[in-house]
Amino acid sequence: DVKVTQSSRYLVKRTGEKVFLECVQDMDHENMFWYRQDPGLGLRLIYFSYDVKMKEKGDIPEGYSVSREKKERFSLILESASTNQTSMYLCASTEGAYEQYFGPGTRLTVT
Amino acid sequence: DQQVKQNSPSLSVQEGRISILNCDYTNSMFDYFLWYKKYPAEGPTFLISISSIKDKNEDGRFTVFLNKSAKHLSLHIVPSQPGDSAVYFCAASTPLGETSGSRLTFGEGTQLTVNP
Repeated sequence: DVKVTQSSRYLVKRTGEKVFLECVQDMDHENMFWYRQDPGLGLRLIYFSYDVKMKEKGDIPEGYSVSREKKERFSLILESASTNQTSMYLCASTEGAYEQYFGPGTRLTVT
Repeated sequence: DQQVKQNSPSLSVQEGRISILNCDYTNSMFDYFLWYKKYPAEGPTFLISISSIKDKNEDGRFTVFLNKSAKHLSLHIVPSQPGDSAVYFCAASTPLGETSGSRLTFGEGTQLTVNP
C-alpha cells in the first residue's frame, strides 16, 4: 500500500512565523503535490514537483514556497504565516497515473 | 475561474436509496475524471474514475457517468449506506506536458449524509 505521511496533524503558529510542513511518500513516486482545503472551495493546488529539485506553481502559490531535495520528501514553506493561511494542508503523490494518493492532512491555525 | 463545479454543497438520502452526486466542468482538455471521498480529519481517498473516451464506469455500488457534450459527470451510489456519509470531491485531470504525470483540478465538494 502507498503511504503518504505528513509531519504534523495539528499545528498552531503565530502571525509572521516561518512554518515548515513536511510530506514523505514511500512509493518512489515522481510527482508530489501540495493542496489546501477550505470549506466551499474544495482542494486548491499550491505547488507541485515532478522531479527532485523541480517545482511548478499551482493555482495559489502566493505566500508559499516548496523544497524537494530528495525524491521521497516534499516540503511546503510559509515564509511569513498570516491568518488567511489558516487551513487544512494536504500532500499527495503519484507515479504519473491519474490517481493521487493523499496524506492525512495538517490542520494549521495561524493566530 | 472555477473549471470544475459541484453545485450542491450537501445531499441527504435514506439508507438503501440511490445517491446521485453531480459535477460540471468547462475545460475541454480534461482527459480523465475521478471521484474522491473524504472523511473528517483524513486525507481524500480515491473512489472511482473514468476516461474521457468512455461514458460509464462501474465498480460495485458505485457508477460514474460522463456526458462529454454537456460537460457533466455524475456519481451514483446504490444502495446508499450510512458509512458512505462523507464529502465527495469530483476531480478532472490535465497532462503535465513533458513529464509523465498529470495535475488534478477539484470541485468544491458535496457533503453526503445517508440516514439510517
